Amino acid sequence: DIQMTQSPSSLSASVGDRVTITCRASQSISRYLNWYQQKPEKAPKLLIYTVSGLQSGVPSRFSGSGSGTDFTLTINSLQPEDFATYYCQQSYSTPTFGGGTKVEI
Amino acid sequence: EVQLVESGGGLVQPGGSLRLSCAASGFNFGSYSMNWVRQTPGKGLEWVSYISDSSSTISYADSVRGRFTISRDNARNSLYLQMNSLRAEDTAVYYCAREMLTGNCLDYWGQGTLVTVSS
Repeated sequence: DIQMTQSPSSLSASVGDRVTITCRASQSISRYLNWYQQKPEKAPKLLIYTVSGLQSGVPSRFSGSGSGTDFTLTINSLQPEDFATYYCQQSYSTPTFGGGTKVEI
Repeated sequence: EVQLVESGGGLVQPGGSLRLSCAASGFNFGSYSMNWVRQTPGKGLEWVSYISDSSSTISYADSVRGRFTISRDNARNSLYLQMNSLRAEDTAVYYCAREMLTGNCLDYWGQGTLVTVSS
């Protein structure tokens, strides 16, 4: 299976900050990389698909980039509702998820 | 509005069986592939199984192959996961998730149902 490694595992930020989360695949996954947001006691929610496609209803402050093995999720001007855990997921082969990045105040 | 509602979770002894259900509404269920994904505090999110829209293609994670069976009933807008020979490490919240038609991603998830395997 392809291993997905996220960094950092947690970070502290303030409202208005720009936040960057990195995801690295153990082998090339082309552009088959998705990002999800999960809040406590809730199901994951799709944010970005295929590296940079913004899911309907997701604010434009969320963006994604990368290809091959290295990918980035960026949140511009962090809002209070953005404090959550973020997961990357590859869909190049048998789906696997990163370990998550918890964004805390 | 797309809705996925799981049910059937609970406490079961090791070696036991459980059948999870996922009721879908708000979209043409028969046109979408579906997945089961589970989440544990220790191992995070783990994909469990996939079934195509017509059930012609099915796949499983190595960790559950031979013990779990995914199925669907398009007439009833329902997805199922039959879990046999359950182990302690199967303890998790189980989510059903819809696969986006174009995008190779999971665009809608249910609220999850907790399965606890313990004696």
